[in-house]
This record gives sequence, structure tokens and C-alpha cells, in this order.
Amino acid sequence: GQSLEQPSEVTAVEGAIVQINCTYQTSGFYGLSWYQQHDGGAPTFLSYNALDGLEETGRFSSFLSRSDSYGYLLLQELQMKDSASYFCAASGAGSYQLTFGKGTKLSVIP
Amino acid sequence: GAGVSQSPRYKVTKRGQDVTLRCDPISSHATLYWYQQALGQGPEFLTYFNYEAQPDKSGLPSDRFSAERPEGSISTLTIQRTEQRDSAMYRCASSPGLGQDHEQFFGPGTRLTVL
Repeated sequence: GQSLEQPSEVTAVEGAIVQINCTYQTSGFYGLSWYQQHDGGAPTFLSYNALDGLEETGRFSSFLSRSDSYGYLLLQELQMKDSASYFCAASGAGSYQLTFGKGTKLSVIP
Repeated sequence: GAGVSQSPRYKVTKRGQDVTLRCDPISSHATLYWYQQALGQGPEFLTYFNYEAQPDKSGLPSDRFSAERPEGSISTLTIQRTEQRDSAMYRCASSPGLGQDHEQFFGPGTRLTVL
């Protein structure tokens, strides 16, 4: 099985940079995904890391270190619309199942 | 279709009744997933289909829960003899399949309330 830990809440100022961490304990870990979910909305895919290192997609970047069982999502130039919950999710080798963390609620303040 | 759709969006039922939830995935997607999401929590895996095959039912909470995808497109999730603890958001997601399972496209969900 897999379990993931991430902070429950983070607050950051508009225009700043915020990092949301995720640590995982897994058997057969394959990769780490990140999803964004606005209140009342559906989760939407942001980023995926199968290899160690940084993946950059516009204002969002995601990092993975397999040796440390650790990853993070980096959001730059924060905007008010980035206020949402962010979930890390692990996929296992040979499995289509995604195991989600409990989510980090990001509040962006003026 | 353009995105994943689910129906009904809201369902209120009495304890002991059966309910069936429907998911219409993105038409080109081979793989379809069902999740249960409690308020303030991440989605929890229930089951998935690869076309009409259902290789993994490990997340279904009990034998009261069953799912079908008979023609490899639309899927239904049925909960028999509902209990109050079944109240949750039920989300369907789809992905192209084969190596693309990390990027899943979620539907709007069905909010189930069991009285």
C-alpha cells in the first residue's frame, strides 16, 4: 500500500512563491502526480514526475527525489485564483491506481 | 464527449435503498476510475476499468458496492442497501490508458446523501 503526507494548510501572499511538500511511503512506487481542486470543483491534473528532478509547467513546477521519498509542488507569482486544495498522488508500478494525499489547502492573500 | 460527465449530480436517498450512479468518460479514453471523496479529503480509489475489463476492485468498501462498464464506455456504480456512512462525493475519472494513468480527467461528481 501507499500513504502520503502533506501539510493541511498553507497561506501565502499574492505574487509570492509557495512550496507544498509531500512525503510518501509506498511499495512499488512509480511516480508522483499533483492535482488542483477548487472548492466545489473537480480535481484537475497539474504535473507528474516519474524521474528525479524538476518538471516545469508555466508558473508551476514539481520536484521528485526517490531516494528521499519526497516531492514538492512549487507555485510562482501566486495569483488569487491559485487559492485551492492541492493533492499529491502516487502511482504504483504495474497498477493503474492513484493514491491521493489528504490535500493542502492554499489560501492566497492580498 | 468534451469531458467526463456524471449523473445525477445530487442524489438523496433513504437508508436501505439502492442507488445507481452513472459516468460517461471522454470518448477516446480506455481507462475509467471510480473514487469516493469525503469532504476535505483526497479521492479514495474504489475500482477501475480497462475498456470493459475490471482488473481491480480492491477499493470497493463492501460487497454492497459494484460497478459495470459492459461496452467499454459508460459505467455505472451501484450501491445496494445504502447506509449513512455511504454519504460522500463519488467521482469518476478517465485516462487514455497504457502509461497515461497518472493524468486522469475527473468528472463533476455525484453528491450522495443517505438519510
